[in-house]
Amino acid sequence: AQSVTQPDIHITVSEGASLELRCNYSYGATPYLFWYVQSPGQGLQLLLKYFSGDTLVQGIKGFEAEFKRSQSSFNLRKPSVHWSDAAEYFCAVGSEGGNNRKLIWGLGTSLAVNP
Amino acid sequence: NAGVTQTPKFRILKIGQSMTLQCTQDMNHNYMYWYRQDPGMGLKLIYYSVGAGITDKGEVPNGYNVSRSTTEDFPLRLELAAPSQTSVYFCASSHTGGGTGGYTFGSGTRLTVV
Repeated sequence: AQSVTQPDIHITVSEGASLELRCNYSYGATPYLFWYVQSPGQGLQLLLKYFSGDTLVQGIKGFEAEFKRSQSSFNLRKPSVHWSDAAEYFCAVGSEGGNNRKLIWGLGTSLAVNP
Repeated sequence: NAGVTQTPKFRILKIGQSMTLQCTQDMNHNYMYWYRQDPGMGLKLIYYSVGAGITDKGEVPNGYNVSRSTTEDFPLRLELAAPSQTSVYFCASSHTGGGTGGYTFGSGTRLTVV
């Protein structure tokens, strides 16, 4: 079955530290991969997406993600976290296949940033 | 460019009441979605639409109804509200179909049923 797993429910980092949020997927077709961020009380905003080509993709707010097909992973990274990065992060996967009408979502990772 | 607009932002309903959550997008997107979000449960798809006049059920459609008479509007109707429908509701739209194009989200409606 198609699924997205975000193994870490909650992560706390110190401001200025590096960050990696994990995402693993199970998907039969060629995946289209997305990371979204949700600030408290807000809707979801697209951070970045991967369709094809270079497996390291750059997004907004200084985030990047790397697609590793052999590991079925699409981990999100940031070299130096800012207090404003505290939010909920969601990984999602879709495809061009017959079920391309909607994304499959992970349950999210909540990020807290210590000053 | 407003994107996806949801109204109201907050609402308290009594058990058994009905209401309509409004969603409008001005990007001429064919695909529109309704999700509910509960703490620790991620996003659950309620209904979606691939174009005017076409709707389909998602994972959790019971207790809800939708219509799509225009490309711009995708209202979600709650009949006979129940406490289990207390949640935050998000509307989203997509140009190419969420599977490849990703979504644009509204800012949400926080609904409490008492």
